[in-house]
Amino acid sequence: QSALTQPASVSGSPGQSITISCTGTTNDVGSYNLVSWYQQHPDKAPKLVIYEVTKRPSGISNRFSGSKSGNTASLTISGLQAEDEADYYCCSFAGGSTFVEYVFGPGTKVTVL
Amino acid sequence: QVTLRESGPALVKPTQTLTLTCTFSGFSLTTRGVCVGWVRQPPGKALEWLAHIDWDGDKFYSTSLKTRLTISKDTSEKQVVLRMTNMDPVDTATYYCARITTYYETSGRHYRADSFDIWGQGTMVTVAS
Repeated sequence: QSALTQPASVSGSPGQSITISCTGTTNDVGSYNLVSWYQQHPDKAPKLVIYEVTKRPSGISNRFSGSKSGNTASLTISGLQAEDEADYYCCSFAGGSTFVEYVFGPGTKVTVL
Repeated sequence: QVTLRESGPALVKPTQTLTLTCTFSGFSLTTRGVCVGWVRQPPGKALEWLAHIDWDGDKFYSTSLKTRLTISKDTSEKQVVLRMTNMDPVDTATYYCARITTYYETSGRHYRADSFDIWGQGTMVTVAS
């Protein structure tokens, strides 16, 4: 059972914007700006699309953006395209001063209508 | 070009020990802030962080699995090895190795990232008798 909560599915039409939420607790999302998001196409490895809540790795489209408020982080995909159809996972650092832990969300399936 | 590649058995029997090797290139595991770790994904399910080893040789394990896991590195060979004991059918999954960047420096400032920035293609492991 994931420590983070995500909607099972989100859908949108091409060109629209969608937002995926990722809700944690004060032990993870709420305490650290260390939330990352991963895109995973079927039978492929995950790919980092957002790190440190809002930052995009080199080569990732600026249609992907991230934010956080309290214990909930969000990934927004604007100008939705067919290639964005995939599963998306959030991840947060959940450690402390004496231990390290990373927790993933259960994943959200994005469908482009 | 940064790459990681997993290798290991496709099938293990219950109670056996699984040994997986991650061979990487394009970066050094002695660079501060760079780690290599393992993440698994049961069929149709979510990702789960298992363990990682950092540039200093420090090892970190999932709390729920730490009694079964051992991670090690051979920096000169650019390999990281994960061992998981007492395998069970519920451990059937695709096992990924990934580079984890915990710290980085830009324009003289240090930042924490704690993100899995490059992934291997994954290796499917089935646990069955």
